[in-house]
Amino acid sequence: TQLLEQSPQFLSIQEGENLTVYCNSSSVFSSLQWYRQEPGEGPVLLVTVVTGGEVKKLKRLTFQFGDARKDSSLHITAAQPGDTGLYLCTEGGSNYKLTFGKGTLLTVNP
Amino acid sequence: DSGVTQTPKHLITATGQRVTLRCSPRSGDLSVYWYQQSLDQGLQFLIQYYNGEERAKGNILERFSAQQFPDLHSELNLSSLELGDSALYFCASSEGGQGLWETQYFGPGTRLLVL
Repeated sequence: TQLLEQSPQFLSIQEGENLTVYCNSSSVFSSLQWYRQEPGEGPVLLVTVVTGGEVKKLKRLTFQFGDARKDSSLHITAAQPGDTGLYLCTEGGSNYKLTFGKGTLLTVNP
Repeated sequence: DSGVTQTPKHLITATGQRVTLRCSPRSGDLSVYWYQQSLDQGLQFLIQYYNGEERAKGNILERFSAQQFPDLHSELNLSSLELGDSALYFCASSEGGQGLWETQYFGPGTRLLVL
């Protein structure tokens, strides 16, 4: 069973700061998705990365997939209170058995 | 609003009881997924149905069962409930049955509390 480790587990920052959260796997990802879950809501897909070394940008969010496809990072520039939430990474293993990390709980204080 | 609906939103019950959680997928989506989210285990995949048939099974206990009906709505049945079953239960849907390669749309969840 593939294990996904996300770090840090908790992160509390001030509005305007930059941050990076990480997702690491015990084995190679076939592909990887990042989701954000706001309090009281279900997760919402942010991005899917497929190719090793791939970088995708979504406004102030930059997603990077490691060259070896065993790690990924999410960098947020100039964080805003609306970025507050639980950031989850996930990978679909064999037979569609989806594995999620436990997430990074981000709080952006005004 | 993801277009996925779940009922009830909150559920409080006692140990040993049985409950049914209901999910209506987005219009046109054929796949339904069930997840359990707790503080210690995170978001755990339970089971996936595609067009009425079981497609994949994750960490689902034998006390739990699910089905997808001809109108594509799905129910998750939890029986002989234990305190440790208290969690958020999410349903998600996607267009087809390709798992990770598709966008999954999550419902707002059902919060289950077993006393």
